[in-house]
Amino acid sequence: DAMVIQNPRYQVTQFGKPVTLSCSQTLNHNVMYWYQQKSSQAPKLLFHYYDKDFNNEADTPDNFQSRRPNTSFCFLDIRSPGLGDAAMYLCATSRVNRGWTEAFFGQGTRLTVV
Amino acid sequence: SQQGEEDPQALSIQEGENATMNCSYKTSINNLQWYRQNSGRGLVHLILIRSNEREKHSGRLRVTLDTSKKSSSLLITASRAADTASYFCATGGDSNYQLIWGAGTKLIIKP
Repeated sequence: DAMVIQNPRYQVTQFGKPVTLSCSQTLNHNVMYWYQQKSSQAPKLLFHYYDKDFNNEADTPDNFQSRRPNTSFCFLDIRSPGLGDAAMYLCATSRVNRGWTEAFFGQGTRLTVV
Repeated sequence: SQQGEEDPQALSIQEGENATMNCSYKTSINNLQWYRQNSGRGLVHLILIRSNEREKHSGRLRVTLDTSKKSSSLLITASRAADTASYFCATGGDSNYQLIWGAGTKLIIKP
């Protein structure tokens, strides 16, 4: 019944070694978001896709990239993870068509950089 | 992006009591949403209230919205230990589809 699925739940990567986090959805929502959340803080939007249109936040580091090959899947690529990139990464989806609906979140991927 | 503040930052009450959390925001909005996050998990949507609505209920949850004061409150009645979580408000605008988040309130329900 999971609707937004993130893999893996936990990811350990080495400093500077590229890592990819994945997100899939069964909701057929047109908007997908990637958030970074550090301990006890609000989620920070990195980027979002409205259909195939990519929208990058101005303060998202170049180190972070994203791909959305189709409606169901979205990937977050961190090209050279630093210690400061250790965080929970949350994927969310929303159906937006002449109005808002709520966002559905995955369980998150906790990234550790060693 | 964060545009709002939530207060209190932390709230600890006895089981059975009511819990009230407040959210303030800065810009005009299309809607305001409340989410719950259990420790180490994803966020779960609770309620969406549109800018032309003043109050909304869902089970033990009651949300109010005052657009003149740019504020909202979330009331949880008859709290339970399972309500222990962080609660976030998020606003949606008219011109894009980003949610702008408050800093969150950490709620602890003591048995």
